[in-house]
Amino acid sequence: AQSVTQLGSHVSVSEGALVLLRCNYSSSVPPYLFWYVQYPNQGLQLLLKYTSAATLVKGINGFEAEFKKSETSFHLTKPSAHMSDAAEYFCAVSFIQGAQKLVFGQGTRLTINP
Amino acid sequence: DTGVSQDPRHKITKRGQNVTFRCDPISEHNRLYWYRQTLGQGPEFLTYFQNEAQLEKSRLLSDRFSAERPKGSFSTLEIQRTEQGDSAMYLCASSTRQATGYTFGSGTRLTVV
Repeated sequence: AQSVTQLGSHVSVSEGALVLLRCNYSSSVPPYLFWYVQYPNQGLQLLLKYTSAATLVKGINGFEAEFKKSETSFHLTKPSAHMSDAAEYFCAVSFIQGAQKLVFGQGTRLTINP
Repeated sequence: DTGVSQDPRHKITKRGQNVTFRCDPISEHNRLYWYRQTLGQGPEFLTYFQNEAQLEKSRLLSDRFSAERPKGSFSTLEIQRTEQGDSAMYLCASSTRQATGYTFGSGTRLTVV
């Protein structure tokens, strides 16, 4: 069975500081991994995805994530936080074959302090 | 590309009433998914269609829930005899068969009072 654990339900950083959101996964087969962002009362927007190509994945809005198989991690980073980054972030995993349904983590709420 | 559309955006209903939500996927997408997201949680998979065929349903989809995609285009999700525990955001997403990851709609927020 697949599962995702996001460490830290709330993360607070200062504007301009490094953003690090942690995600660890469990999967019995090679996974696809995703980060989505959700603004209040909105759907989910894809930030980036890992699909077994390059282990360092660059996404939108300056975010990137690195797939580390040995650590079963897929942490999301951004060098310099902006006020507009305040949102809920979800890590998700899916199988390569079949329905490709997503299994999501619990989410991390990112707050940016001025 | 107009994205994935969901209607209504918000629905307030009394316990015991039936509700129906609609999802219009991106036109060339043959896969359509429904997820449910309760407050403070990540979305949970409910069901999945490839064209008009419903290929997988979660255990979360009780007998009071039914989803259809009659012509392989838009989909409806109906909840009969709503309960307070059904209060959640219902998210629809679509993709092509070859794609990895999919496009989500803005969701329908259901409040059962």
